[in-house]
Amino acid sequence: GAVVSQHPSWVICKSGTSVKIECRSLDFQATTMFWYRQFPKQSLMLMATSNEGSKATYEQGVEKDKFLINHASLTLSTLTVTSAHPEDSSFYICSAQQLNTGELFFGEGSRLTVL
Amino acid sequence: SQQGEEDPQALSIQEGENATMNCSYKTSINNLQWYRQNSGRGLVHLILIRSNEREKHSGRLRVTLDTSKKSSSLLITASRAADTASYFCSRNDMRFGAGTRLTVKP
Repeated sequence: GAVVSQHPSWVICKSGTSVKIECRSLDFQATTMFWYRQFPKQSLMLMATSNEGSKATYEQGVEKDKFLINHASLTLSTLTVTSAHPEDSSFYICSAQQLNTGELFFGEGSRLTVL
Repeated sequence: SQQGEEDPQALSIQEGENATMNCSYKTSINNLQWYRQNSGRGLVHLILIRSNEREKHSGRLRVTLDTSKKSSSLLITASRAADTASYFCSRNDMRFGAGTRLTVKP
């Protein structure tokens, strides 16, 4: 199947710093990518829908100034957690939608720990 | 959860037994997808079933869809310890239910 690369796979940062997570579709183009957040033993919560060349659509309750999303090309979307705090510590997962089939392919996730 | 629910929330079976997980949803769909997630990993796509399909097979997996009841089921036959994971369904709006945590005991 198609491959989505997510980087970094884990990151530890200090409170107040910003962290950028990349999501790349390696062998297909994705006009739409999705960012999720997952707490331990819970489901994935959709944070935002990232559309290539336009602004992301954020879910209710997700702060767009806190979680900056950029989808500058058909193969790359980035999520920047700005001014991170310990409560932002979580597992962040991206997915890319294959245009022809509608299937979602997921990255391996990025575990963020904010000290 | 952001959309329909999976049940049961947790399921523990012996190797060789079949495992059935259900997914309900609230609004109409174009398709429904099942995924598997090993702990701390990303999701792996298992099967996509379209709204005009009633059943699909892939190896030991069988998915059914009943649009009149707004529900789908995932059956894993002859389970193996390696099937231990969380299983999620997602409809075409890309939201997920709470998932079913399956444990297959060797």
